[in-house]
Amino acid sequence: KAGVTQTPRYLIKTRGQQVTLSCSPISGHRSVSWYQQTPGQGLQFLFEYFSETQRNKGNFPGRFSGRQFSNSRSEMNVSTLELGDSALYLCASSFLIAGGVVNEQFFGPGTRLTVL
Amino acid sequence: AQKVTQAQTEISVVEKEDVTLDCVYETRDTTYYLFWYKQPPSGELVFLIRRNSFDEQNEISGRYSWNFQKSTSSFNFTITASQVVDSAVYFCALSGGLETSGSRLTFGEGTQLTVNP
Repeated sequence: KAGVTQTPRYLIKTRGQQVTLSCSPISGHRSVSWYQQTPGQGLQFLFEYFSETQRNKGNFPGRFSGRQFSNSRSEMNVSTLELGDSALYLCASSFLIAGGVVNEQFFGPGTRLTVL
Repeated sequence: AQKVTQAQTEISVVEKEDVTLDCVYETRDTTYYLFWYKQPPSGELVFLIRRNSFDEQNEISGRYSWNFQKSTSSFNFTITASQVVDSAVYFCALSGGLETSGSRLTFGEGTQLTVNP
């Protein structure tokens, strides 16, 4: 089974621009979560999507948004980039049944975003 | 609110030594899940174990073992006979019940383990 894939792997943007990151979950996984990893703040939860619906959101400004498509692929968008948005953005997928238990999440390799 | 604390920022050992990584958690949920992940230099988080709050049995998988103690809110991870390939950052993480927090993971700060030959 192919793992979680993320594109692009590396991205360089300038302040004020916007960026879209893509994530393809493991086949059969319908839950996709996004995390931001920085040296100062560590790993922080951004949001989770399940069946095209955002079911959970972390404490990030509205500049951070996401969506999920019917094939479970997900995108996240960051508008009006700031220097502090430079980070490793990780996507994770899990096999989730509504009302079921919390299963382990499998992570992709991440997208390294640098904002200049 | 949920919180995970990994008090050991860095640990350095010599190959073949045993090493224990500490994890202490806080949650008000009665149902919750605990995880350990490994992050090698490549950056990808690798899943190691999941434990739910109703299962306090310790687990052993090869050189890895986990000690879950609800009484002390701890979920410690021991590597026996460490190897250079074990060098990585290890994260402990917590998730509430599905209905309260979905799959959301709260991570600890991570412990950088360096195994020297």
